[in-house]
Amino acid sequence: DTEVTQTPKHLVMGMTNKKSLKCEQHMGHRAMYWYKQKAKKPPELMFVYSYEKLSINESVPSRFSPECPNSSLLNLHLHALQPEDSALYLCASSQDQTLGNTIYFGEGSWLTVV
Amino acid sequence: DQQVKQNSPSLSVQEGRISILNCDYTNSMFDYFLWYKKYPAEGPTFLISISSIKDKNEDGRFTVFLNKSAKHLSLHIVPSQPGDSAVYFCAAITSGSRLTFGEGTQLTVNP
Repeated sequence: DTEVTQTPKHLVMGMTNKKSLKCEQHMGHRAMYWYKQKAKKPPELMFVYSYEKLSINESVPSRFSPECPNSSLLNLHLHALQPEDSALYLCASSQDQTLGNTIYFGEGSWLTVV
Repeated sequence: DQQVKQNSPSLSVQEGRISILNCDYTNSMFDYFLWYKKYPAEGPTFLISISSIKDKNEDGRFTVFLNKSAKHLSLHIVPSQPGDSAVYFCAAITSGSRLTFGEGTQLTVNP
């Protein structure tokens, strides 16, 4: 089982809304990631959690707030987003951050900010 | 600064022939390289990887070649099948598991 599950698959939110994206994996992976992908562009790293602690924040605006409640779950809390934040948000996981571990991606959550 | 480059945005091949997807990188600190395949509306699916200490890795129809001196890697798919039609991303990793992706190449395999 190499499954990373993301919910919801599609989300439309207003600029004043608060919503969350959720990610779950049951592979025993201890590194989890959020990536953002705009149309016709490659995925860009946002955050990395290692053993439930935030290890990398790629200078992401504070309107995106990650949370790792336990080793299987990763959330991305969204508040006061802008229309340009509309994108595909990809969650990923790997055994840990050791080089050579495969990073597995979920199917993504399509976010539209109106 | 695009550290991983896929200069061909698209590639079209006939079913049964070889598909060769190319990738160049500029950062000599990259230690590990991966190829991902992506269908529309889905997340990237891992295909094959190669460590910087190797020059070739093969898995079924997929072979990745790494030329460190040229900072170039390529993915060979043979024989190509219509189901291989997708966007292929080359990605590179340094320590800390930062994946840097190329811009992707749209492969179309014609029946």
